[in-house]
Amino acid sequence: SQQGEEDPQALSIQEGENATMNCSYKTSINNLQWYRQNSGRGLVHLILIRSNEREKHSGRLRVTLDTSKKSSSLLITASRAADTASYFCFYNNNDMRFGAGTRLTVKP
Amino acid sequence: KAGVTQTPRYLIKTRGQQVTLSCSPISGHRSVSWYQQTPGQGLQFLFEYFSETQRNKGNFPGRFSGRQFSNSRSEMNVSTLELGDSALYLCASSLDSAASDTQYFGPGTRLTVL
Repeated sequence: SQQGEEDPQALSIQEGENATMNCSYKTSINNLQWYRQNSGRGLVHLILIRSNEREKHSGRLRVTLDTSKKSSSLLITASRAADTASYFCFYNNNDMRFGAGTRLTVKP
Repeated sequence: KAGVTQTPRYLIKTRGQQVTLSCSPISGHRSVSWYQQTPGQGLQFLFEYFSETQRNKGNFPGRFSGRQFSNSRSEMNVSTLELGDSALYLCASSLDSAASDTQYFGPGTRLTVL
């Protein structure tokens, strides 16, 4: 497979809880991006973190990047039913790659 | 600004035929990328075009090709269709580079090969 690793593959939580998704990659990168995909709005960009950044926030989203471990995590705080979607990391290390994705279900 | 548009939205073809999909990027965006999404392989990068030139190419056979016009609109072509080509084909536009800029995705073209 061309994809990076993401875990967990699926996550089910209650509204108000936090959700954490992880992405690992194999070689050095310049930046890493996170996207969300649901049936209503398609694939939407969430956040971009550059290799010289360790943490970035956007609203209820927090992304971390650990280049020594070649991994990134996406934290969604105080989740809502509308956060139900698949979440993908995307990075470029000589070719463009999406992670396998985490399917998040937030129960009302 | 209008978003990324893709036509057609749905397509049914038979094995051996060829197909052309079209993508209109956001005005001012010069990079257009194409992706294939299937349940088994997930999202896979096909190619990226910038200023009418292919900048990057994913690991797909030569049956998959594309081009970009001077107005940044892009087309992708799949020849000699196989059953395994059934997928959602997504186009994304970005200002200059899919690798370093935000990508804005179109709704996709759902291709079914019978």
